[in-house]
Amino acid sequence: NAGVMQNPRHLVRRRGQEARLRCSPMKGHSHVYWYRQLPEEGLKFMVYLQKENIIDESGMPKERFSAEFPKEGPSILRIQQVVRGDSAAYFCATSGVGNEQFFGPGTRLTVL
Amino acid sequence: AQSVTQLDSQVPVFEEAPVELRCNYSSSVSVYLFWYVQYPNQGLQLLLKYLSGSTLVESINGFEAEFNKSQTSFHLRKPSVHISDTAEYFCAVSPGGSYIPTFGRGTSLIVHP
Repeated sequence: NAGVMQNPRHLVRRRGQEARLRCSPMKGHSHVYWYRQLPEEGLKFMVYLQKENIIDESGMPKERFSAEFPKEGPSILRIQQVVRGDSAAYFCATSGVGNEQFFGPGTRLTVL
Repeated sequence: AQSVTQLDSQVPVFEEAPVELRCNYSSSVSVYLFWYVQYPNQGLQLLLKYLSGSTLVESINGFEAEFNKSQTSFHLRKPSVHISDTAEYFCAVSPGGSYIPTFGRGTSLIVHP
């Protein structure tokens, strides 16, 4: 019974490159949430998705960031033209209908 | 909108001593309250939650938290800590009916032998 999977666990990018972070939900979960954790801070909500739909993206930066959760395959958080300020840990959480969130181990993005 | 304040960024304590991690929140609506634990290089794990009913909630590993509506607090306590409790603890609040929580900045619990 695999938990929430995220890959890669660590990602290094140079300024201007693209970062793609993947999240595979637990079996039976159709809701995905993405959070960002900056050093010395708590998690900040970014986006909430269901299969093929963005439900709430109120926490997403207006530019360079996008997220999808296709009918098949993992959810993907994409950051285009990364900058040093994007360096953070990115966590996804998944849930069933109306239930608690289960978190993945996170992807630690470092932008050089 | 909700906000969460964790008053202590770091709490050092000796093994087998009691500990309290403080959490205060502000919200104009009824809320759900959560405590999560994060071990090094891992994701968050739900420790306990208050949705409704009894204001005292307990986890399976000896932690408990009490919802105090008048003081808008949800402090986490354990009567006797272990070395293995060393971790980051996050308090979170969400509006009743929503499961998208607002997190506090976290409290680092450091248990010394």
